[in-house]
Amino acid sequence: QSALTQPASVSGSPGQSITISCTGTSSDIGGYNYVSWYQQHPGKAPKLMIYEVSNRPSGVSNRFSGSKSGNTASLTIFGLQAEDEADYYCSSFTSSTTYVFGTGTKVTVL
Amino acid sequence: QLQLQESGPGLVKPSETLSLTCTVSGDSISSSNYHWGWIRQPPGKGLEWIGSMYYSGNTYYNPSLKSRLTISLDTSKNQFSLKLSSVTAADTAVYYCARLSDGVPADHWGQGTLVTVSS
Repeated sequence: QSALTQPASVSGSPGQSITISCTGTSSDIGGYNYVSWYQQHPGKAPKLMIYEVSNRPSGVSNRFSGSKSGNTASLTIFGLQAEDEADYYCSSFTSSTTYVFGTGTKVTVL
Repeated sequence: QLQLQESGPGLVKPSETLSLTCTVSGDSISSSNYHWGWIRQPPGKGLEWIGSMYYSGNTYYNPSLKSRLTISLDTSKNQFSLKLSSVTAADTAVYYCARLSDGVPADHWGQGTLVTVSS
């Protein structure tokens, strides 16, 4: 199974909004509403930020929003803050009853 | 509060078997609501889903690792384990254990443990 495709890096100034894309196929993102997003700070375990395309776990800021169109999912961070600087990974359930992660995106707050 | 903790050797020789255990507290791995699994991350690289197991015994493995992989549960100890055989330097990574829910490869993570494959 091939990793989902994400941009290597995205940057923005504090207060701005940024969007990270995650492109797969009809066998993963396009076939299921089981897209998750993770935030990972250096040296730390990833943290679940979005599940089932657009749902936020308890405790996650509403500045994080997820969506999907066809084979591409997106994570938008509104009102960018310094603490949002991290790596972000998407993931999807697949038709093989497995999971696949994205290539990862480094978010830089300018 | 759910906690997961990985344990096992930090150094494994090439061609040998990598073995890790995840101890779970705050939830029962016999719960019908969740799967239990493993994810790894080579140094400086992205995440790779390894596989998972349901309390019923059903296992789900990454096709690229399937021939070398075994995941098992020990309900008496509330632990689950990973065995990866015939390891090479490419298997060097931080290994995370995780709880999976429907459609979510990890809703809770262990802190991760670095395993280096080297002679």
